[in-house]
Amino acid sequence: EDKVVQSPLSLVVHEGDTVTLNCSYEVTNFRSLLWYKQEKKAPTFLFMLTSSGIEKKSGRLSSILDKKELSSILNITATQTGDSAIYLCAVWPNTGKLIFGQGTTLQVKP
Amino acid sequence: NAGVTQTPKFQVLKTGQSMTLQCAQDMNHEYMSWYRQDPGMGLRLIHYSVGAGITDQGEVPNGYNVSRSTTEDFPLRLLSAAPSQTSVYFCASSYEPRRAGTFGSGTRLTVV
Repeated sequence: EDKVVQSPLSLVVHEGDTVTLNCSYEVTNFRSLLWYKQEKKAPTFLFMLTSSGIEKKSGRLSSILDKKELSSILNITATQTGDSAIYLCAVWPNTGKLIFGQGTTLQVKP
Repeated sequence: NAGVTQTPKFQVLKTGQSMTLQCAQDMNHEYMSWYRQDPGMGLRLIHYSVGAGITDQGEVPNGYNVSRSTTEDFPLRLLSAAPSQTSVYFCASSYEPRRAGTFGSGTRLTVV
């Protein structure tokens, strides 16, 4: 059965800290891995990763995929209170059914 | 630029009632999907469609029906609501599978 597991499930840090969120997967015929940020409402897209070892970067956020280890990490440097959200990892297998992890709830305290 | 529009935003149903959650997109996306989100469980796929006239089941399809008569619309029907269907429902669309999707703002459904 295809599955995606995120860790930790929740995390509390202080402004300025650096955090690393983990996503591991077991899927048949991996196509791509997606990261989303969800604040009050709908998830918003952060990154799509298809190739191992190529870092995607957007401001203080970056992500990388390791196909050998079947995992990805999302790094956030110099965290701000606005980074407080649920971070969702999702994987596209070849079935056309996007599979989400449970999400990591990040709280950044002032 | 509306993107993905879901209605209603909130709904309370009594057990056994039926209703339809509406989803419309104006981006000419072929792929549309419905998810439910429950605390601690991420998003789970209910049904999806790869184009008009084509639908398929996701991870948790029981109790829900869908149809796709046009590219723009993908309604989700609850035929006989149950308290276990209390959840937040999201509709999403994308140009094709494996691409990042655009999500609607969600429908918070409570079944009492």
